[in-house]
Amino acid sequence: EAGVAQSPRYKIIEKRQSVAFWCNPISGHATLYWYQQILGQGPKLLIQFQNNGVVDDSQLPKDRFSAERLKGVDSTLKIQPAKLEDSAVYLCASESSGALGSPLHFGNGTRLTVT
Amino acid sequence: GQNIDQPTEMTATEGAIVQINCTYQTSGFNGLFWYQQHAGEAPTFLSYNVLDGLEEKGRFSSFLSRSKGYSYLLLKELQMKDSASYLCVARGGGFKTIFGAGTRLFVKA
Repeated sequence: EAGVAQSPRYKIIEKRQSVAFWCNPISGHATLYWYQQILGQGPKLLIQFQNNGVVDDSQLPKDRFSAERLKGVDSTLKIQPAKLEDSAVYLCASESSGALGSPLHFGNGTRLTVT
Repeated sequence: GQNIDQPTEMTATEGAIVQINCTYQTSGFNGLFWYQQHAGEAPTFLSYNVLDGLEEKGRFSSFLSRSKGYSYLLLKELQMKDSASYLCVARGGGFKTIFGAGTRLFVKA
């Protein structure tokens, strides 16, 4: 089974620039998550999709962050404009849903550095 | 509110046993996960508990007490490769997943 694919692996931008991240979940996984992980901290949920609908985006800074999951498969996360404090690893995860104990499967993440 | 507490760092010796504790508070409860995360890598699933008691999986075991809002991860016969962060993750009501900050485990020779 192919894992969760993310790109790019690394990105360096200047503050006020825009950036987009892409995620392809495991085939058949209905639930997709975007997490932000700042160095030394646990992952913080940004947004959760169930198929192509948003389940939870309560912690997404909507003035600068946006995400979509067209057709309920791939997803993109955008930051516009970026701030220094957005420097973090952005993790995408997917879950098959249905089973109580179904774990999250994570991609390798995109490490963003904002200068 | 919803909260997870776990120690920030622990150090143990190769070959020893270490227990990483976690306490949680959630609105509703649908299970407790443990993930391992090596530096610069994505978290990987270790264990899941939804009923009270101990689940054993090789060198790793996980325990849950729902009445106390408490879990621990037990690592036996520690190896150098076990040096990593261990994330305690609670699944609350509505299947909302809450991550702890992680415990960084250092295994020394």
